[in-house]
Amino acid sequence: SQKIEQNSEALNIQEGKTATLTCNYTNYSPAYLQWYRQDPGRGPVFLLLIRENEKEKRKERLKVTFDTTLKQSLFHITASQPADSATYLCALDEADSWGKLQFGAGTQVVVTP
Amino acid sequence: NAGVTQTPKFQVLKTGQSMTLQCAQDMNHNSMYWYRQDPGMGLRLIYYSASEGTTDKGEVPNGYNVSRLNKREFSLRLESAAPSQTSVYFCASTLSGGAQETQYFGPGTRLLVL
Repeated sequence: SQKIEQNSEALNIQEGKTATLTCNYTNYSPAYLQWYRQDPGRGPVFLLLIRENEKEKRKERLKVTFDTTLKQSLFHITASQPADSATYLCALDEADSWGKLQFGAGTQVVVTP
Repeated sequence: NAGVTQTPKFQVLKTGQSMTLQCAQDMNHNSMYWYRQDPGMGLRLIYYSASEGTTDKGEVPNGYNVSRLNKREFSLRLESAAPSQTSVYFCASTLSGGAQETQYFGPGTRLLVL
């Protein structure tokens, strides 16, 4: 069966450290992988997209890697800040999906001062 | 621009009651989606509309109907609500529904069915 797995346990991290989140998938062939941020009581907000032929993508303090052999994406927040506290969702986008994303359940990140 | 708006924000229903969740976007997007989000689970697609005048089932369509009223508006109807439909519902839109497009989400509707 198709599955997308993200760490269900919250990631507690000290301000200034790097947070690393994982997204593993089985029985999908994503052409693209997206990461979204979701704050409590709000809708998800797009952060980054990485294509299957890209190894790494960066945006400010965020970095995403995509390994189609391992079927895994890693999401890094460097120099983390309390304002980075949120739930982060990965979403798979297969080439013929017409925008029908498959979402993981998300990982909560808590950054303490 | 308001982006994607949803009404109502909260709703409590009794089993068997019906209601319509409203969604509108002002970004001139062609494609719109309805998801539900339950604790410990990813967002699951209920229905989507690739363009005005078309709708298709997603992963979990049972118990729901949709209407793409015009390019801006996409409504989700529960004809006879059940406790299993207690969830948070999100509407989203994309420019044309193609791959690698960003989805823009509304703030959600929190529904409790007693």
